[in-house]
Amino acid sequence: EDQVTQSPEALRLQEGESSSLNCSYTVSGLRGLFWYRQDPGKGPEFLFTLYSAGEEKEKERLKATLTKKESFLHITAPKPEDSATYLCAVHPPNAGNNRKLIWGLGTSLAVNP
Amino acid sequence: NAGVTQTPKFQVLKTGQSMTLQCAQDMNHNSMYWYRQDPGMGLRLIYYSASEGTTDKGEVPNGYNVSRLNKREFSLRLESAAPSQTSVYFCASRPVNAGANVLTFGAGSRLTVL
Repeated sequence: EDQVTQSPEALRLQEGESSSLNCSYTVSGLRGLFWYRQDPGKGPEFLFTLYSAGEEKEKERLKATLTKKESFLHITAPKPEDSATYLCAVHPPNAGNNRKLIWGLGTSLAVNP
Repeated sequence: NAGVTQTPKFQVLKTGQSMTLQCAQDMNHNSMYWYRQDPGMGLRLIYYSASEGTTDKGEVPNGYNVSRLNKREFSLRLESAAPSQTSVYFCASRPVNAGANVLTFGAGSRLTVL
């Protein structure tokens, strides 16, 4: 069964303390891997799409990378405003139009000042 | 630019009552989606609409109906609410030619069924 597993479930960092979030998947031949950020009481907000192993995307303090079995979201020198839940989703090869995106449960990140 | 607007934000129902969650997008997107988000379950697709006039079931459609009223609006109806439908509901939309398959989500509707 196709699965997406995110770790850790929760992470607490001090401001400026860099770390990485992990998203591992069992889907073969995925059509895309997505990272979203979700703030409390809000809907997910798109961050990155990755399509092939070796690909990297960056935005401010965030960098997403992809291998054949997992993706990492690296957070460099985080600030308190980076506190949120980060969701990973995978688009398997037999799904169209996002109707079968497989979502992870997310990593809840708290950055203390 | 409002993006995706959902109403209501909060609702409490008694078992057996009916209600409709409303969703509207102003981005001229073709595809629209309804998800539910529950602790320990992640986001699950209820129904989607690839374009105006079409709707299809997602992973968890039982107990729900949808209407794609026009290109902008996609509503979700609970005909006879059950406690198992207590959840946070998200509407999302996507343009047809988005190479990144990016979803834009609304802020959510928190529903409690007693």
